[in-house]
Amino acid sequence: DTAVSQTPKYLVTQMGNDKSIKCEQNLGHDTMYWYKQDSKKFLKIMFSYNNKELIINETVPNRFSPKSPDKAHLNLHINSLELGDSAVYFCASSQGLAGVRRSSLHFGNGTRLTVT
Amino acid sequence: SQQGEEDPQALSIQEGENATMNCSYKTSINNLQWYRQNSGRGLVHLILIRSNEREKHSGRLRVTLDTSKKSSSLLITASRAADTASYFCATPQLTQGGSEKLVFGKGTKLTVNP
Repeated sequence: DTAVSQTPKYLVTQMGNDKSIKCEQNLGHDTMYWYKQDSKKFLKIMFSYNNKELIINETVPNRFSPKSPDKAHLNLHINSLELGDSAVYFCASSQGLAGVRRSSLHFGNGTRLTVT
Repeated sequence: SQQGEEDPQALSIQEGENATMNCSYKTSINNLQWYRQNSGRGLVHLILIRSNEREKHSGRLRVTLDTSKKSSSLLITASRAADTASYFCATPQLTQGGSEKLVFGKGTKLTVNP
């Protein structure tokens, strides 16, 4: 019954590898996001998709590539992983854009990525 | 750029006491949201307050908004050990591409001791 689920929960990998994180939401929302939380708990938006269309692409290295096959799914693929990519990555969803339009975000439980 | 900033960074209280966390932001907003994050979990939406509201209640939570001072506060009354978590404020910000996003502060880590 989990509303926003992401896999895997933990990901430990070596520098230079390529990895993917998957996210699915069953809330019927039309907008999905990837956020990155660093070791100091600072949460920063990376990408946002609305109805499968990329609408927010923050200053993120192009080693990060999101893909939304449908409204309920948003995946994140990371190429050539670097030490600085170690963080917790959160998927979130909302009905309509969360922001000025007053929608709230529903978060998954995160994927802790450790790059060694 | 960071919009909201919580204060204090950390707060430790005894069960039954009230906890107050503050959030300051920089630009005009039409709403402000508070979220809670338990250790190892995702953020959970607590409450949204609109710019034309001064105060809002939800159970033991009370949120105030002062748009003239660009600040908000979250009060948790009669705290419980289960309230131990990090609390974040989030404010909307327009992106360069003309879209909008929610920007989070760094959070207040609340510890409620039994």
